[in-house]
Amino acid sequence: KAGVTQTPRYLIKTRGQQVTLSCSPISGHRSVSWYQQTPGQGLQFLFEYFSETQRNKGNFPGRFSGRQFSNSRSEMNVSTLELGDSALYLCASSLFSGALYEQYFGPGTRLTVT
Amino acid sequence: GENVEQHPSTLSVQEGDSAVIKCTYSDSASNYFPWYKQELGKGPQLIIDIRSNVGEKKDQRIAVTLNKTAKHFSLHITETQPEDSAVYFCAASGRDSNYQLIWGAGTKLIIKP
Repeated sequence: KAGVTQTPRYLIKTRGQQVTLSCSPISGHRSVSWYQQTPGQGLQFLFEYFSETQRNKGNFPGRFSGRQFSNSRSEMNVSTLELGDSALYLCASSLFSGALYEQYFGPGTRLTVT
Repeated sequence: GENVEQHPSTLSVQEGDSAVIKCTYSDSASNYFPWYKQELGKGPQLIIDIRSNVGEKKDQRIAVTLNKTAKHFSLHITETQPEDSAVYFCAASGRDSNYQLIWGAGTKLIIKP
């Protein structure tokens, strides 16, 4: 069974631009969560989508948004990029919504904002 | 809201020795505590988890203990091997976090040959 895939793996953008990251979950998984990972900060939860609906949202500004398609693939968008948005963005999929279901992570997209 | 603190941030142990990583949480209603291992260039991977109705769980060289009264849980790795070198994250889930995982900051485990 194929794992979680994220594209692109690396991205360099300049301040003020916007970016879209993509995540394809494991086949059959309906929940996709997004995290921001920065050194020393652990994983910060962005949002979770389940069956095309946002189920939970973390404490991030409105510049961060996401969506999920009918095939469970998900995208996240960051508008008006700031230097502080430089991070590894991880996507995780699980069968159903909720922490009790094991999350399977992709390798992440490394975003650098200059 | 829920807060999870993890210590130490870096741990260096001799190959064959044991390693212990500790986490404390703030929400007394938290009921699920997973541990993830992240190797270089990869996303985190679940290695063991424990629920609030259990005090200890073992899986070969890995064990997790939970003290609900003190609100802390620990990861124990015995007979460490070079492939144990990685960053380890604890997490907790409960009512205060709307049942989403709240993560510790991570521990970089270095196994010295």
